[in-house]
Amino acid sequence: GDSVTQTEGLVTVTEGLPVKLNCTYQTTYLTIAFFWYVQYLNEAPQVLLKSSTDNKRTEHQGFHATLHKSSSSFHLQKSSAQLSDSALYYCALMGYGSSGNKLIFGIGTLLSVKP
Amino acid sequence: EAAVTQSPRSKVAVTGGKVTLSCHQTNNHDYMYWYRQDTGHGLRLIHYSYVADSTEKGDIPDGYKASRPSQENFSLILELASLSQTAVYFCASSDDRGREQYFGPGTRLTVL
Repeated sequence: GDSVTQTEGLVTVTEGLPVKLNCTYQTTYLTIAFFWYVQYLNEAPQVLLKSSTDNKRTEHQGFHATLHKSSSSFHLQKSSAQLSDSALYYCALMGYGSSGNKLIFGIGTLLSVKP
Repeated sequence: EAAVTQSPRSKVAVTGGKVTLSCHQTNNHDYMYWYRQDTGHGLRLIHYSYVADSTEKGDIPDGYKASRPSQENFSLILELASLSQTAVYFCASSDDRGREQYFGPGTRLTVL
């Protein structure tokens, strides 16, 4: 079946250091797109990044991700973590098919940035 | 800006009782969704709808009903609430099922 696997649990990083949240996937859909959603404490999930182009870097708010279909990955990275980046991050696969489209979420990774 | 609101924001219910969670969107979107959020499971789709007066089952529909009386409103109904339904519930909307979804602020449901 279709699934999204994320770095599990909690990732702790020191402010100013780089951070990488892993996301890999398995899918039978031929046409796909990817989203990274971010959920700050007591807020709604919102889109941080989105991409449907293989090997093209997408950037927003200092974060970047590149869809690599060859390795089935869409990792999220930032060169210098900020305290305000502490949040829950979801990787999500959008599959486009003749029987309907479907959004599949990973289980989420909690990022904690420490001073 | 996209606007999805949910009510109530939190609720405590008794086992076996009926619970109704409401969602309202002003995005003029056709699609609306109900998810539940649990640690270790992420966001899981319960029901969705693409037109008023019609709903579709998502990945985990058992124990839940949905109602879409208008394009703007989408309700999630727990006829007989159970302890296992304690979770945070999110409503979302999109203009197409293949497009970005906009989420509401969530409802924290505790079943005792």
